[in-house]
Amino acid sequence: DSGVTQTPKHLITATGQRVTLRCSPRSGDLSVYWYQQSLDQGLQFLIQYYNGEERAKGNILERFSAQQFPDLHSELNLSSLELGDSALYFCASSGGLHRDTQYFGPGTRLTVL
Amino acid sequence: GQQVMQIPQYQHVQEGEDFTTYCNSSTTLSNIQWYKQRPGGHPVFLIQLVKSGEVKKQKRLTFQFGEAKKNSSLHITATQTTDVGTYFCAGPGSGGSNYKLTFGKGTLLTVNP
Repeated sequence: DSGVTQTPKHLITATGQRVTLRCSPRSGDLSVYWYQQSLDQGLQFLIQYYNGEERAKGNILERFSAQQFPDLHSELNLSSLELGDSALYFCASSGGLHRDTQYFGPGTRLTVL
Repeated sequence: GQQVMQIPQYQHVQEGEDFTTYCNSSTTLSNIQWYKQRPGGHPVFLIQLVKSGEVKKQKRLTFQFGEAKKNSSLHITATQTTDVGTYFCAGPGSGGSNYKLTFGKGTLLTVNP
């Protein structure tokens, strides 16, 4: 158990819909990262927040947005969903004792029908 | 931007054979990290190498960091079915509060019992 929690575990929705994925980092970690993992693309970095502020952006679509709240939990919002958005979405946290080691949550499997 | 490449993409071995995966970065790294993802699981931190030429061992796993700090390898001696999974290397970002990691695409190891 990494100490990072993600909800929900599974999400099935239709094209055009909007969903919100939630992540709670390990206690004491200030950074939260979001990744998308599909079969052919590996781990694609989406975005990083540090103590409530956006710090780095990767290959995140404009239809996707994220935020980190004062209690350090984070949400990833995916809108106007397309079939190709079906993937595993991982959240990771860091910033504790080993600052750049990342601890991954169990992931949310999103299926867009 | 920074690129991290891993070879091979796939490796199938008979149980008891050795396995090696190689990681190369386009830039010099302050450290390199290795993660393992079991099928259906999430990436789990294995180890971090920091010093040029560093070698670390974890039971049957041997990790090396190149002298130029741009390449690394993971060697597994006498593979077991429990070694099955995808092995990722990752290099950190520019430091400060940006602990973004750039992941390689991973090497999927399958072991025939």
